[in-house]
Amino acid sequence: GQQLNQSPQSMFIQEGEDVSMNCTSSSIFNTWLWYKQDPGEGPVLLIALYKAGELTSNGRLTAQFGITRKDSFLNISASIPSDVGIYFCAAPAGNQFYFGTGTSLTVIP
Amino acid sequence: NAGVTQTPKFQVLKTGQSMTLQCAQDMNHEYMSWYRQDPGMGLRLIHYSVGAGITDQGEVPNGYNVSRSTTEDFPLRLLSAAPSQTSVYFCASSGQGWYEQYFGPGTRLTVT
Repeated sequence: GQQLNQSPQSMFIQEGEDVSMNCTSSSIFNTWLWYKQDPGEGPVLLIALYKAGELTSNGRLTAQFGITRKDSFLNISASIPSDVGIYFCAAPAGNQFYFGTGTSLTVIP
Repeated sequence: NAGVTQTPKFQVLKTGQSMTLQCAQDMNHEYMSWYRQDPGMGLRLIHYSVGAGITDQGEVPNGYNVSRSTTEDFPLRLLSAAPSQTSVYFCASSGQGWYEQYFGPGTRLTVT
């Protein structure tokens, strides 16, 4: 199957700091998705990207679809305690979805 | 509008037992899918369905069966549970914006 590599695996940051994470693949994708999973819950879609080079924001979150179509980036500005969770990238190929291994974010108040 | 519901929330099975994880959605979504989530592995697709009567295998289908007799329901069957199937299972659905999947709350399964 397709492999989506996310980094970093985990992050511990102070409240108010900005966060950057990325997702890379050896395959080209036409869509990139970013999800957040709160502890004990299912993932929730944050941002969807449909075009290479696209930059899309959702509040304090900004995601970019890499020009090569093999990567995507997620930034969170001015982190707050409720940003805690696991962030996943995902990409569809045909009728199937592939997910990255996740970036676990801890925000220290 | 309940969204995607899953039952049970927790389950413990002995090796060799069978069970069915239930998934239902009330959004009239055509696409439904099952994932398993293991530590450090992200979510991996087990089976999916693009509509009633149509199912297909995902990345890790072995040991699991599915059927889709209605638009609303997409049960996942474990015919003979194995310890390797200990995991958290998520069901998801999507409609016309099919990339935008809505996930259920998950079922935590332990096989001893």
